[in-house]
Order: sequence, then structure tokens, then C-alpha cells
Amino acid sequence: GAGVSQSPRYKVAKRGQDVALRCDPISGHVSLFWYQQALGQGPEFLTYFQNEAQLDKSGLPSDRFFAERPEGSVSTLKIQRTQQEDSAVYLCASSTRQGRYEQYFGPGTRLTVT
Amino acid sequence: QKEVEQNSGPLSVPEGAIASLNCTYSDRGSQSFFWYRQYSGKSPELIMSIYSNGDKEDGRFTAQLNKASQYVSLLIRDSQPSDSATYLCAVAAEYGNKLVFGAGTILRVKS
Repeated sequence: GAGVSQSPRYKVAKRGQDVALRCDPISGHVSLFWYQQALGQGPEFLTYFQNEAQLDKSGLPSDRFFAERPEGSVSTLKIQRTQQEDSAVYLCASSTRQGRYEQYFGPGTRLTVT
Repeated sequence: QKEVEQNSGPLSVPEGAIASLNCTYSDRGSQSFFWYRQYSGKSPELIMSIYSNGDKEDGRFTAQLNKASQYVSLLIRDSQPSDSATYLCAVAAEYGNKLVFGAGTILRVKS
């Protein structure tokens, strides 16, 4: 079946612009996670949804970052007034939470802020 | 101290050898443990999960968990050049919860 999909795959934004990154999880996966990965580092947790409920947003680096999953399926990560330090790969992962806790990642969105 | 620590490498092994990758974690209450493989420019790909002490084998891969020592390892038997990648160790404090990743170990398999 289809895996996790993300769009756009690449995004270049001028500093100060707003961006929206989309994640479409594996069908039927209840849990959805957003991570940020800087070059040469492991992914770092941003936020977590179970269905439409955002259960943990402790990793969001500032109030410029906002995520939603209004119908419990597709999720959008929005970054307002982008800064150069926001340049990274944004990864989305989903899992079933039905006895198995593996998270499967999408291809990521590479954001470059100029 | 980082929550999940890995040797950054690179770890170089000849083709056909066993590659041994190690990871330690700080949260003694951690419940689930994963190994991901990440090729350059690609996203992490899950290769192993382990939840209880001991060994778990899947093909050429064996994951080992020792909760008392807070240590997870991944063995890759008969290493192939296609195994050359960064291997990420990830730990979850609770089942189904967020993952905390190490920085990854670069593995190079020389033919």
C-alpha cells in the first residue's frame, strides 16, 4: 500500500514568509508525528497527534510553528515569519498504535530559508 | 548528556564482515527501541524494532537490548556495500510515543 506522503518535497522561502507543509499518513494510521532534522543530526521531535487531537507539542521551537490535523488524517505544519534557522528537513511519520509502535517516515520536505 | 548516544563513525568494515553498531540511552524507563537506516538525501527507513531484553533477528540483522545497561546494538551480518548508510538509534519513553534519536553512526562497507 501507499506510504506516508509529504508535499512539497522542496520549498525555498524568503525570510519572513509563511510556509505550509503537508503530510498524508498511511491509511488507517491513528498517530502522526512531525520531526525536524538538521544536517548531520538525528530527527528531533516537534509534535504528535492521535487522530485529530494534538497530544504533545513540546518540541515546537517557537510560537511561529503551528500544526493541525483537523479530520484526523492529513496534517499541516505551518511556520510563520520563517527565519534562516528554520532551514531543515521536516519529516512526518505515522503509526498504528495497535500493538505495534513502529513509526514510518515520509520522504520529508527540505525547507531552505534565504 | 544527550538522551541517546551513538558513535558518529564512520565505521568501516569490509564486505562480508559483521558490522556492530551501538547505542546507549539515558531514560531507564524507556519502553521501545528502534533502528533506522538513512541513505544520504533520503528519509529514515525502519529496519528493526525491539521491546524486551535479549536478541531479535530478522534476516541479516540482529538487534540486542540490555535494559539494565541501557544499551541497544545492531549487528549486520555479511555486510554489503548497499548497507553503507547512516544508522539511527531511536528510543521511546512510552509505547507509541515520540522517538528520541541519536545523531547516527555512518557505516561504510568496502568492497
